[in-house]
Amino acid sequence: QSALTQPASVSGSPGQSITISCTGTSSDVGAYNYVSWYQQHPGKAPKLMIYDVTFRPSGISDRFSGSKSGNTASLTISGLLAEDEAHYYCSSYGSSITWVFGGGTKLTVL
Amino acid sequence: EVQLLESGGGLVQPGGSLRLSCAASGFTFRNFAMTWVRQAPGKGLDWVSTINGGGGGTYYADSVKGRFTISRDNSKNTLYLQMNSLRVEDTAVYYCARVLASLSAGAYDYWGQGTLVTVSS
Repeated sequence: QSALTQPASVSGSPGQSITISCTGTSSDVGAYNYVSWYQQHPGKAPKLMIYDVTFRPSGISDRFSGSKSGNTASLTISGLLAEDEAHYYCSSYGSSITWVFGGGTKLTVL
Repeated sequence: EVQLLESGGGLVQPGGSLRLSCAASGFTFRNFAMTWVRQAPGKGLDWVSTINGGGGGTYYADSVKGRFTISRDNSKNTLYLQMNSLRVEDTAVYYCARVLASLSAGAYDYWGQGTLVTVSS
């Protein structure tokens, strides 16, 4: 199971919007609506931000949104805040009852 | 309050074994699938293994299949990961996490703080 492809880094200024892509294949991202996104600050455990492509867990700001087109899922963060600076990882259900993560994207808030 | 507390990490030589535990509290443990995810130093997240609520369904990444065994004791609200034939590349922080709703969705809504496993001679 190959890792999903994410850009290594993205950046944006406070108040702006950014989008992080997550590209898989027709066997994982493209086949199922089971894409999740996690935020991880240095030295901390990951935090679930989006699941099932578009759903936010309770307590997650609506500045975070998810979408999918074909084999590529996306996480959009609007109204960037300094506290959004972190690593972001996507994950997807794949073939043969396995799950795969993306390589991670470091978000820098300028 | 949901809490997950891992233990059992440490330094082990290549070829050795280690058993990780994850003590759960604050929710009905048997009703939730659980998973192990690891993160090598300075690297990304890596799915390791998942087990369903009853313990009868277990799933593994190819990289650990045949070497690692996931299990759970619902009477003790504890998740385990038995790791045998350890390799240097298994060095990582190991997190246990709760699976939100559907097992297939692979969404992990609560995570432990992680336990470090170092495989080195």
